[in-house]
Amino acid sequence: ILNVEQSPQSLHVQEGDSTNFTCSFPSSNFYALHWYRWETAKSPEALFVMTLNGDEKKKGRISATLNTKEGYSYLYIKGSQPEDSATYLCAFRPNAGNNRKLIWGLGTSLAVNP
Amino acid sequence: DAGITQSPRHKVTETGTPVTLRCHQTENHRYMYWYRQDPGHGLRLIHYSYGVKDTDKGEVSDGYSVSRSKTEDFLLTLESATSSQTSVYFCAISEADRGGGNQPQHFGDGTRLSIL
Repeated sequence: ILNVEQSPQSLHVQEGDSTNFTCSFPSSNFYALHWYRWETAKSPEALFVMTLNGDEKKKGRISATLNTKEGYSYLYIKGSQPEDSATYLCAFRPNAGNNRKLIWGLGTSLAVNP
Repeated sequence: DAGITQSPRHKVTETGTPVTLRCHQTENHRYMYWYRQDPGHGLRLIHYSYGVKDTDKGEVSDGYSVSRSKTEDFLLTLESATSSQTSVYFCAISEADRGGGNQPQHFGDGTRLSIL
C-alpha cells in the first residue's frame, strides 16, 4: 500500500518566523511529487511539481526540495505572513503514462499569528 | 485561474435519490478527476478520466459512476445517494505531460453535497 505522510499535522508560528514541513513518500517507483496550498473555503492551488532528485523550486518566500532516494520533500516558508495560513498538501505520483492517480497526504495546517 | 466550473455548488437531497454533479472546463485539458474531501481523510480520488470515454476508478469509487462524452464535461453520478456520500466534491483537471515534465492539477471551487 502506497502511503504519503506529512508532518507536523499542524503548526502555529508568529509572523516573521520561518518554518518548514515534511512530506514522506515511497522511494521506489517515483515519478513526481506535487505541493499544493489549500486556503480555508477555497480550492487547492498548485505550488510546485517536482520530478528530479535534488530538485529545488522557489515561488516568492516559499521553496521546496526533493530527495527521491530517501523519499522525502521539504517545504520551506521564509518570513511567514498571516496570508500564508493554509493547509499545505503534498501528493505523490508513482506512475508515468495514463495512470494519473496522485496519492495525497493529509496536509500540514499552518496558522500564522500576526 | 483555470476555467473550471462545478455545478451545482450546493445541493441537499434525500437518501435514495439520484444525484449528478457536473464539471465543465474551458481549458481543453485531457485529464479530469473527481475527488471527495472529508475531515480526517483528506482528498480521496473517486474516478478520473484520461480522455473522452476513457475513465478509471479511484480509491473510493463504490456507489459512484462517471461519464465523459466530450472533452469539456465530466459528470459524477450517485445512482442512489446515501448519507455516507455527504461530502465536499472537487473536480480537477490537468494537461498532458510535456517534455518529460509533470503537470499540476487545477481544482474547481467544489460542490457541497448533503444527503439527509
